[in-house]
Amino acid sequence: GAGVSQSPSNKVTEKGKDVELRCDPISGHTALYWYRQSLGQGLEFLIYFQGNSAPDKSGLPSDRFSAERTGGSVSTLTIQRTQQEDSAVYLCASSLDYNQPQHFGDGTRLSIL
Amino acid sequence: GQQVMQIPQYQHVQEGEDFTTYCNSSTTLSNIQWYKQRPGGHPVFLIQLVKSGEVKKQKRLTFQFGEAKKNSSLHITATQTTDVGTYFCAPNNAGNMLTFGGGTRLMVKP
Repeated sequence: GAGVSQSPSNKVTEKGKDVELRCDPISGHTALYWYRQSLGQGLEFLIYFQGNSAPDKSGLPSDRFSAERTGGSVSTLTIQRTQQEDSAVYLCASSLDYNQPQHFGDGTRLSIL
Repeated sequence: GQQVMQIPQYQHVQEGEDFTTYCNSSTTLSNIQWYKQRPGGHPVFLIQLVKSGEVKKQKRLTFQFGEAKKNSSLHITATQTTDVGTYFCAPNNAGNMLTFGGGTRLMVKP
């Protein structure tokens, strides 16, 4: 079956612009995660959705970052007024349920000029 | 909160040598997962350990979960160039968000 799909694969934008990153999880997976990974670095947790529960937003670095998950499926991560330090690969993962193995998408490489 | 330390950060080995990465938690874990990320790729799930003292093998890879469920290790026997990548542990403490260790980047010289 299809894996986790992320779009766009690459995004280049000017500082100060807003960007939207999309994640299509594996069908039937109730848990969805967003991470950020800078070059050569580890995974920085951003936000976690589980079913219809309120999301865990504890990893969002500032109020410029927000995310939603519509209908328990597709998720969008929005970064407002982008800064150069936002440049990174944004990875989405989904899992069947909380605490289950995570399946990652290929990520969106975001470059802020 | 849960503190996770993964060591070493980097490891260069000659092809054929063994390699081990360690993951240490400050709290008792309910389980731990291991992932591998190839250069330019995304993390891929390898295994999950749940029981105290558990040992699991996947070909040349051996995964261990400590008796106290606070640490874990991944050992690769006779490394190959295909083993190159970053290995992440992802400890889980029941009720808390699963977190990823900083990763160990393995480089293999042919």
